Amino acid sequence: DAKTTQPNSMESNEEEPVHLPCNHSTISGTDYIHWYRQLPSQGPEYVIHGLTSNVNNRMASLAIAEDRKSSTLILHRATLRDAAVYYCILRRFSGGYNKLIFGAGTRLAVHP
Amino acid sequence: GAVVSQHPSWVICKSGTSVKIECRSLDFQATTMFWYRQFPKQSLMLMATSNEGSKATYEQGVEKDKFLINHASLTLSTLTVTSAHPEDSSFYICSPLGRGSGPDTQYFGPGTRLTVL
Repeated sequence: DAKTTQPNSMESNEEEPVHLPCNHSTISGTDYIHWYRQLPSQGPEYVIHGLTSNVNNRMASLAIAEDRKSSTLILHRATLRDAAVYYCILRRFSGGYNKLIFGAGTRLAVHP
Repeated sequence: GAVVSQHPSWVICKSGTSVKIECRSLDFQATTMFWYRQFPKQSLMLMATSNEGSKATYEQGVEKDKFLINHASLTLSTLTVTSAHPEDSSFYICSPLGRGSGPDTQYFGPGTRLTVL
């Protein structure tokens, strides 16, 4: 399975930008980079995904390195509700399906 | 985003009993269903994948006779934990994928917390 490496935890202050890094040096050409987040006792929530180009949506921005071996999820203004575990995942076609295989993720704490 | 429900949201049972967890995709047809489990302080682990009307494919190390998956319709899939034991206590999460949900965004249910005494 495609492996991603993320810091175990990060901290931020409210209303400040947050940059969550992810390394995926074994990425293949057809792997999409997905980000999900999970609040306590809830299912994961889709945040953003991309292939090669940077992506923006209402929740966040995704910056993808030119060699695609790393990416950064950017929360432009952190709020207390953004405190969650953020997962960077390579979506790969395996066994007949496009599977999401979760790594350990980064636990983001947001301070008032 | 797509609406996914799970029932029950939590369940407590005695060791040796079987527990059925339902997952429904409320506003799209789920041709594929993924089932995950998550132990405390750990990440999600994919257990199995099923297509509507077909047998599930289980990940390595997951007992297919213990975790029975039924995906009989495009809006409902069930996971039955048979003869549950305390080590099966976990957070079970379904994730349907299919027509109308978009090929690139996979949605997840709210999860079912199972506690086996």
